Amino acid sequence: QVQLVESGGGVVQPGGSLRLSCAASGFTFSNYHMHWVLQAPGKGLEWVALIRNDGSDKYYTDSVKSRFTISRDNSKNTLYLQMNSLRAEDTAVYYCAKDRGSSGSYYTFDYWGQGILVTVSS
Amino acid sequence: DIQMTQSPSTLSASVGDRVTITCRASQSISSWLAWYQQKPGKAPKLLIYKASSLESGVPSRFSGSGSGTEFTLTISSLQPDDSATYYCQQYSSYSGFTFGPGTKMAIK
Repeated sequence: QVQLVESGGGVVQPGGSLRLSCAASGFTFSNYHMHWVLQAPGKGLEWVALIRNDGSDKYYTDSVKSRFTISRDNSKNTLYLQMNSLRAEDTAVYYCAKDRGSSGSYYTFDYWGQGILVTVSS
Repeated sequence: DIQMTQSPSTLSASVGDRVTITCRASQSISSWLAWYQQKPGKAPKLLIYKASSLESGVPSRFSGSGSGTEFTLTISSLQPDDSATYYCQQYSSYSGFTFGPGTKMAIK
């Protein structure tokens, strides 16, 4: 069965950095695009970043461009999110999500991790 | 960027009721719309993709319709397990795969 397990969250000071990891299993990781989605406390969902299955292209929401970097290691079945210059407004639960990846449903999310909390506070 | 709105923001209905949630896009997104269900403390679950295609394993009481800028999610006969927040998501544009603000569904 598909499993996505995030790690690396925690409390960080404004301006600091954090790297999230997402360990994937139960599917051929290298065949699927992957995403990060965040949810601020008590708020709705916000897509953060997409990386294509082979790592060739990456896309970001405007609020994290130049600060966050999505990457993947297909040999380790792991997705990453490097978060730099963190701000209080980045405080959220971060989910990694698998792209559904078939005709008509690319860029939808059929499996999600349990989420990992990132708190940016002094 | 494409903006998404949902109505109503909250909804209370009884078991067995037919309920409809509306999602509107700020510009045409063809049929590139998905619906998700999220329960408190849990990750979202994909219900519908391409506006009307039911994800495998999702009960048939859920259905989606629409195209262009206006879409609906319908639950034909509300069940107690359907208490959740529902989000639409457009995936028409790489500039951002935006979600709607959510509709919180409560069971009377």
